[in-house]
Amino acid sequence: GENVEQHPSTLSVQEGDSAVIKCTYSDSASNYFPWYKQELGKRPQLIIDIRSNVGEKKDQRIAVTLNKTAKHFSLHITETQPEDSAVYFCAASSYNTDKLIFGTGTRLQVFP
Amino acid sequence: NAGVTQTPKFRILKIGQSMTLQCTQDMNHNYMYWYRQDPGMGLKLIYYSVGAGITDKGEVPNGYNVSRSTTEDFPLRLELAAPSQTSVYFCASTDNPSIQPQHFGDGTRLSIL
Repeated sequence: GENVEQHPSTLSVQEGDSAVIKCTYSDSASNYFPWYKQELGKRPQLIIDIRSNVGEKKDQRIAVTLNKTAKHFSLHITETQPEDSAVYFCAASSYNTDKLIFGTGTRLQVFP
Repeated sequence: NAGVTQTPKFRILKIGQSMTLQCTQDMNHNYMYWYRQDPGMGLKLIYYSVGAGITDKGEVPNGYNVSRSTTEDFPLRLELAAPSQTSVYFCASTDNPSIQPQHFGDGTRLSIL
């Protein structure tokens, strides 16, 4: 079945630096890739998503890139701030499934 | 719109007790999901539904049951609570899982002692 691998599991950066989280998927039919941010004690919330007909999408300090050939996609956060500290989950789905397959999460810590 | 609403927010159960976790959404989404999240871990799919009257197992369905009699509601039932079911339970819904995000409720924090 579909599998999504996410790296790294933890990431520590200095405020103002960039952070990159990478995910690899196994199902070549995957076509939708959302990213969720989960703050401590809160629900996962969508921060950005990308569909397979697009190679890159940007929203202010956040961007996602997709490489369909290599079957991987990445989250890029620039000019990190302490409030970016959270757990980030990538996910993937395809036209032939009713479910999202989640990565295992990355705990991002941004130090002032 | 309230989105996805889960009740209760917190609950403590004794081993062997039963309870129902409620989930309702007002977005007219056909697809609904139940996940559990153990401390410091990721999301595990328990059950999901693609529409009223249709449910299917996820990766960790043992010890749980669901029903979907209406589009809005998707309750999760624990029949014989066990300590291993101590977790945070999230309900989510979407209009189309292939091209739209899932919207999550605030979760139910369940402790079984």
